[in-house]
Amino acid sequence: GDSVTQMEGPVTLSEEAFLTINCTYTATGYPSLFWYVQYPGEGLQLLLKATKADDKGSNKGFEATYRKETTSFHLEKGSVQVSDSAVYFCALTDSGGYQKVTFGTGTKLQVIP
Amino acid sequence: DGGITQSPKYLFRKEGQNVTLSCEQNLNHDAMYWYRQDPGQGLRLIYYSQIVNDFQKGDIAEGYSVSREKKESFPLTVTSAQKNPTAFYLCASSIRDRDDEQYFGPGTRLTVT
Repeated sequence: GDSVTQMEGPVTLSEEAFLTINCTYTATGYPSLFWYVQYPGEGLQLLLKATKADDKGSNKGFEATYRKETTSFHLEKGSVQVSDSAVYFCALTDSGGYQKVTFGTGTKLQVIP
Repeated sequence: DGGITQSPKYLFRKEGQNVTLSCEQNLNHDAMYWYRQDPGQGLRLIYYSQIVNDFQKGDIAEGYSVSREKKESFPLTVTSAQKNPTAFYLCASSIRDRDDEQYFGPGTRLTVT
């Protein structure tokens, strides 16, 4: 079946540091890929998405590129802020007729001033 | 404002009692989902529904039940048969399109003692 593997956290960075959170996937067909963010005590919200190979999703300074050849969708940000501290989930939807989402285990990011 | 509401935010129950978690959406979405979130395990799908009066088991349906009598509502009952019910429960909805994201509610933290 489909699966998503993320780097384990927590990731601790100083403010203005460069962020990379690795995500690789296994899927049949051509899934859509997503990054969701969860702030403490809240539900998840979509950060960015990419629906086909070589697409780049971007939002709030975060970027991720759909790499079919390496089955990866790594999340990057050039300069993190304290307010970016959260848990980040990589996810995919299957290529079937309905939208079932497979989530990674999440990576906690802590940004210190 | 459109969105998903879950109530209550915190819920406490004694072991052996059934408990129902509420989920309501006014986004006019066809599909709704229930997830369970435990530390270090990401999100696991309990049940999902693509249309009124129809729902399917997810990966961990044992000990849970749902109903979908109205498009806006998808309540989850945690029964006494669920061995480890203490968790954070998230409800989500989406339009029936594989490329679209899921919209999440704020979650309900259930503690069973």
